[in-house]
Amino acid sequence: ILNVEQSPQSLHVQEGDSTNFTCSFPSSNFYALHWYRWETAKSPEALFVMTLNGDEKKKGRISATLNTKEGYSYLYIKGSQPEDSATYLCALAGDSSYKLIFGSGTRLLVRP
Amino acid sequence: EAGVVQSPRYKIIEKKQPVAFWCNPISGHNTLYWYLQNLGQGPELLIRYENEEAVDDSQLPKDRFSAERLKGVDSTLKIQPAELGDSAVYLCASSLGGGFAQETQYFGPGTRLLVL
Repeated sequence: ILNVEQSPQSLHVQEGDSTNFTCSFPSSNFYALHWYRWETAKSPEALFVMTLNGDEKKKGRISATLNTKEGYSYLYIKGSQPEDSATYLCALAGDSSYKLIFGSGTRLLVRP
Repeated sequence: EAGVVQSPRYKIIEKKQPVAFWCNPISGHNTLYWYLQNLGQGPELLIRYENEEAVDDSQLPKDRFSAERLKGVDSTLKIQPAELGDSAVYLCASSLGGGFAQETQYFGPGTRLLVL
């Protein structure tokens, strides 16, 4: 059974702080990694799909990197804003199919 | 473009009662997924449809759960009878199709079920 770990479980930061969190996965089972942002009472929103070792993707103040050899991905938020408060989920595609194995998420709270 | 629509958004029922959730995927998306999310955990796949065919229902507890996707568009997930442990968020997602690892799945807001 594939295990996807996210850390920390929760994080409180001050507005303006930059922050990052980790998604770890078995390096031997990798086809793609998905990042989602899930705000309370809304739909999970797709942020990135990453497939290649060394991939780096950016969307506004949010960026992500991927290391498939050591089995981790980092998500960075530069200059956190209160609207960044959400749960950030990563999901591993461990084979070539659609099956995603989700981590438990990192809950981010940005204080004004 | 309208996203994935789910209803109801919240449902409170007593144990042993039946309950149904409805999902309308993004127009043109052939693949539809139902996920279960327990508190403090990530979503877990229950069933996947390609058009009207359930191509993966291996994680669906078939003694009490059922699903259908008539006409290959919207879908209904049913629980009968509900148990206390079914309290969770039920998420529906859709994607264009093909079932590839890189394909983005687009999620609805979920139905939060509380079984008393």
